Amino acid sequence: DQQVKQNSPSLSVQEGRISILNCDYTNSMFDYFLWYKKYPAEGPTFLISISSIKDKNEDGRFTVFLNKSAKHLSLHIVPSQPGDSAVYFCAARGTGNQFYFGTGTSLTVIP
Amino acid sequence: DTGVSQDPRHKITKRGQNVTFRCDPISEHNRLYWYRQTLGQGPEFLTYFQNEAQLEKSRLLSDRFSAERPKGSFSTLEIQRTEQGDSAMYLCASSFGLGPLGPQHFGDGTRLSIL
Repeated sequence: DQQVKQNSPSLSVQEGRISILNCDYTNSMFDYFLWYKKYPAEGPTFLISISSIKDKNEDGRFTVFLNKSAKHLSLHIVPSQPGDSAVYFCAARGTGNQFYFGTGTSLTVIP
Repeated sequence: DTGVSQDPRHKITKRGQNVTFRCDPISEHNRLYWYRQTLGQGPEFLTYFQNEAQLEKSRLLSDRFSAERPKGSFSTLEIQRTEQGDSAMYLCASSFGLGPLGPQHFGDGTRLSIL
C-alpha cells in the first residue's frame, strides 16, 4: 500500500521557467513532509520541509505548498536551472518516526 | 564535514550467503535509519535507532534482517541467508534532534546483488 504517491514519473521544463512537482498522500496522520533530490549513484539530499501546521514554506528558489484537505503537496522551483535536473522524492513522517517515500519524479531542465 | 558513510559501496554474493553492511552517521547525529530502495521505487523504511536503542522496525522486515547500533555510533545491517529478492540499494540516513522533526542526511548506499 503506497501511502505517498508521485503520479508523474517524469517532467521536462525549459530553463528559467517554473517546475511544479506534485505528491499525494493517503494518511491524514502524517505531520511532517519533506522533499529530497537525488542524483545518480548518490543518496538523496534534503531540499525543503514543511510541518502539517503550515501551508507554505519557502527557501530561495524552492517553495513547498501543503493542502491538507486534499492531502496534496507540491514543490515549486523557480526559476528552474539545468543543475536542478535530478529525481525528486517527496516523503512524509508517520507515527513512530517512520518515513514514507514516493516513487520519485525525474525532472529534466532543458537549457 | 564528513557526511554519512556506508561500506561497502557494492556487494555481490551468492544466494544463501550472509552479508553485513556498515553505516557511519554524522558524528553528532543521535538518530539513524536504514532504508531499502529498488529500481523505480522510493526508499522503503526498514528500521530506526535513537542512540543505541532500536525504536522502530518495519513489519515488512523479515527475521533474516537484523540491525545493531552499539554505543549509539556506527550501525550494521545484517542479512542472513540472502535471497534473490534482497537485491537492492540499502541506504542509511542520520539526523539530529530531541524532538520529532529534523531532515535526514543520507549516505550513498550499498548496492547488493544476489547471484
